[in-house]
Amino acid sequence: AQTVTQSQPEMSVQEAETVTLSCTYDTSENNYYLFWYKQPPSRQMILVIRQEAYKQQNATENRFSVNFQKAAKSFSLKISDSQLGDTAMYFCASHNYNNNDMRFGAGTRLTVKP
Amino acid sequence: DSGVTQTPKHLITATGQRVTLRCSPRSGDLSVYWYQQSLDQGLQFLIQYYNGEERAKGNILERFSAQQFPDLHSELNLSSLELGDSALYFCASSEWGTEQPQHFGDGTRLSIL
Repeated sequence: AQTVTQSQPEMSVQEAETVTLSCTYDTSENNYYLFWYKQPPSRQMILVIRQEAYKQQNATENRFSVNFQKAAKSFSLKISDSQLGDTAMYFCASHNYNNNDMRFGAGTRLTVKP
Repeated sequence: DSGVTQTPKHLITATGQRVTLRCSPRSGDLSVYWYQQSLDQGLQFLIQYYNGEERAKGNILERFSAQQFPDLHSELNLSSLELGDSALYFCASSEWGTEQPQHFGDGTRLSIL
């Protein structure tokens, strides 16, 4: 079974600065996808970014980018120019394509301070 | 607005009871997923349906069941409820499979008294 580990339960960052959230995963599959989801206080789950494991290029979405290290099974999220609206729980998730197994990490609570 | 609609938003019931949670996926999405988010166990994948058929099963208890109807809406049935079933239940949808981005509803908060 695959596992997803987020080792930082809480983090904080000053507005306009950069912060990196860590995620490691463990899977025996070769065909899988990785995601970062954001859950603000409103409790909605919002997709932040997605990475296909077969792609070497790191995914980027505006201020959000990932550092995907396949050999190390690491998938960190970098948030640049942090904004107050980035305050949320961030969940890393992994999906195995062959068995449709979807796992989430325990989450990192990020607080952006003015 | 994700386009995924979940009803009801809140549900309060007692132990031993049965409840049904409803989900309407985003227009055009064929896959529906159910998740349970509790304080002590984080976000757990329960089950996935694709175009009316069960596609994948996660940590879903035998007391729980789900189905997806021809109009693609889905229902999650929870029976013989226990205090530990208190959680936020999310429905999500995607066009096809789990490899695609999932769009989440606002969740149903279930409280067992």
